[in-house]
Amino acid sequence: DTEVTQTPKHLVMGMTNKKSLKCEQHMGHRAMYWYKQKAKKPPELMFVYSYEKLSINESVPSRFSPECPNSSLLNLHLHALQPEDSALYLCASSFRTSRNTGELFFGEGSRLTVL
Amino acid sequence: KQEVTQIPAALSVPEGENLVLNCSFTDSAIYNLQWFRQDPGKGLTSLLLIQSSQREQTSGRLNASLDKSSGRSTLYIAASQPGDSATYLCAVRSSNDYKLSFGAGTTVTVRA
Repeated sequence: DTEVTQTPKHLVMGMTNKKSLKCEQHMGHRAMYWYKQKAKKPPELMFVYSYEKLSINESVPSRFSPECPNSSLLNLHLHALQPEDSALYLCASSFRTSRNTGELFFGEGSRLTVL
Repeated sequence: KQEVTQIPAALSVPEGENLVLNCSFTDSAIYNLQWFRQDPGKGLTSLLLIQSSQREQTSGRLNASLDKSSGRSTLYIAASQPGDSATYLCAVRSSNDYKLSFGAGTTVTVRA
């Protein structure tokens, strides 16, 4: 079963709110990713976790805080966001990370709107 | 830096016609190339993954070819259907870079 599940599907938050996006996979993948996608643009990498450790942070502002509680779960904590952070946030996973990586599987995304 | 280009940006064809989608990349030192489909407001669905040692991959009506030396990949979709309407993205993983470099995508409309 190749499935990455993201919740919530839609989120509206004010600039002073704190919220979290969640991602779960049960494919035994040890690499998990957060991407941000603006309308009509390709996804942009934000973070990569490899074996539950943060291996890549693409200079993302600190108002985005990732967390990987275990090998199946990935969270993205949001605080003091700006309206320009409104986007589709995509979680992905793959069997391995770094150069020796396999196929990347994406979730359906969480549509975030910051008011 | 790897740059990935997909031309055309949009394509409209009548049902039943074969689709040819192009992807070009600037650095031929790649590890693999992956084709995705994305429906509006949805996530990306993996269609085909081609390793650098392979020349093509096939899945049902889909066939993807890879020519590393010329920096090109082509996705063929046979006998297109209205359900094939979506945006198709290719992504290249360079052999010296952890990143997956995405093209901007080709938006396909198949007219019934």
